[in-house]
Amino acid sequence: AQSVSQHNHHVILSEAASLELGCNYSYGGTVNLFWYVQYPGQHLQLLLKYFSGDPLVKGIKGFEAEFIKSKFSFNLRKPSVQWSDTAEYFCAVNGDTNAGKSTFGDGTTLTVKP
Amino acid sequence: NAGVMQNPRHLVRRRGQEARLRCSPMKGHSHVYWYRQLPEEGLKFMVYLQKENIIDESGMPKERFSAEFPKEGPSILRIQQVVRGDSAAYFCASSPLLETQYFGPGTRLLVL
Repeated sequence: AQSVSQHNHHVILSEAASLELGCNYSYGGTVNLFWYVQYPGQHLQLLLKYFSGDPLVKGIKGFEAEFIKSKFSFNLRKPSVQWSDTAEYFCAVNGDTNAGKSTFGDGTTLTVKP
Repeated sequence: NAGVMQNPRHLVRRRGQEARLRCSPMKGHSHVYWYRQLPEEGLKFMVYLQKENIIDESGMPKERFSAEFPKEGPSILRIQQVVRGDSAAYFCASSPLLETQYFGPGTRLLVL
């Protein structure tokens, strides 16, 4: 079975601060990894994804994530957050034998203070 | 290219009534997934369907819940005899193959 753990439930930052949200997964095989963002009242939007290749992936809006296989981690980073980044962030994993079924973490709520 | 469509966006039901949630996948997508999001929680997988087939329903409650994806028309998630604990946001996602899933805006179900 696959599982995802997001370390921080709620993060509060000031504008221009750097962001790192932790994500660890548990799965024995090949994985696809995702970060989604959910702005208040809106649906999930894909920020970035990792399928294979370069473990450092860049997504939209200046976000990036690094896949570290030895640590089963896929942490999300942004060098300088903006007030508009206030949202909930979900890490998800999709294992190679799970027919596309994604397992989500419980999410991290990011509040950016202006 | 329109995204994943879900309707209704908001649904209010009284205990014991039925709820029907609809999902139209993106054009060209033959895989549909349903997830439920309870307050303060992440998305939990419910069911994965292809046209006319249920591939994985390991996340579906054993009773009162059913899903279909007919040859023609949207995918339907049906909840019979709703209870207050069914109140949640229900998200549908679609994908062309076993790739990135694209999510719809969700249906927020409130059971009174």
